Amino acid sequence: TQLLEQSPQFLSIQEGENLTVYCNSSSVFSSLQWYRQEPGEGPVLLVTVVTGGEVKKLKRLTFQFGDARKDSSLHITAAQPGDTGLYLCAGEEDYGQNFVFGPGTRLSVLP
Amino acid sequence: ETGVTQTPRHLVMGMTNKKSLKCEQHLGHNAMYWYKQSAKKPLELMFVYSLEERVENNSVPSRFSPECPNSSHLFLHLHTLQPEDSALYLCASSQGLTSGNTIYFGEGSWLTVV
Repeated sequence: TQLLEQSPQFLSIQEGENLTVYCNSSSVFSSLQWYRQEPGEGPVLLVTVVTGGEVKKLKRLTFQFGDARKDSSLHITAAQPGDTGLYLCAGEEDYGQNFVFGPGTRLSVLP
Repeated sequence: ETGVTQTPRHLVMGMTNKKSLKCEQHLGHNAMYWYKQSAKKPLELMFVYSLEERVENNSVPSRFSPECPNSSHLFLHLHTLQPEDSALYLCASSQGLTSGNTIYFGEGSWLTVV
């Protein structure tokens, strides 16, 4: 089973700041997904990236898949308190048989 | 209404009890999953069902027994659990098991074993 690492583990910032969180692996994934999970709830899908080098934007969130499909980043511009949550990345292995999840980055945006 | 519904949302059970977690998906998907999320580990895949057949069992102890009577319903039967089994149990579904799949999660069932 491939492993995913996420950094930083915790991040606390003020409203309006920009931030980037990272998802890294030594292995190649066929696709990678980002989720946000709020306390007491299940993860909610934000985006799926499939092609190496792909960049996707979702309002103030920008996702990038590494050229070698081993890593990904999530950049948030002008963070808001509503962005607070656990950000999880998940790499698809075995072509749909399994998704490997990273441990997550816990983001807190203070008003 | 979410596409994947789990009940109960919270469950407290003793180590000698038998209980079940239920999951229902309203998305017309063919694959369903059970994941375990605890404070100390990343999300762990427990079981995968595709078209009601189990295709993945990640060395899960036999005290956890899944059941998939049809493509819309998935159960996790619990028996003689240990306190370390306390965790958030997440059900999920996807269209199938092909590349590029998107997994949709339920809100989870919080399990506390006392």
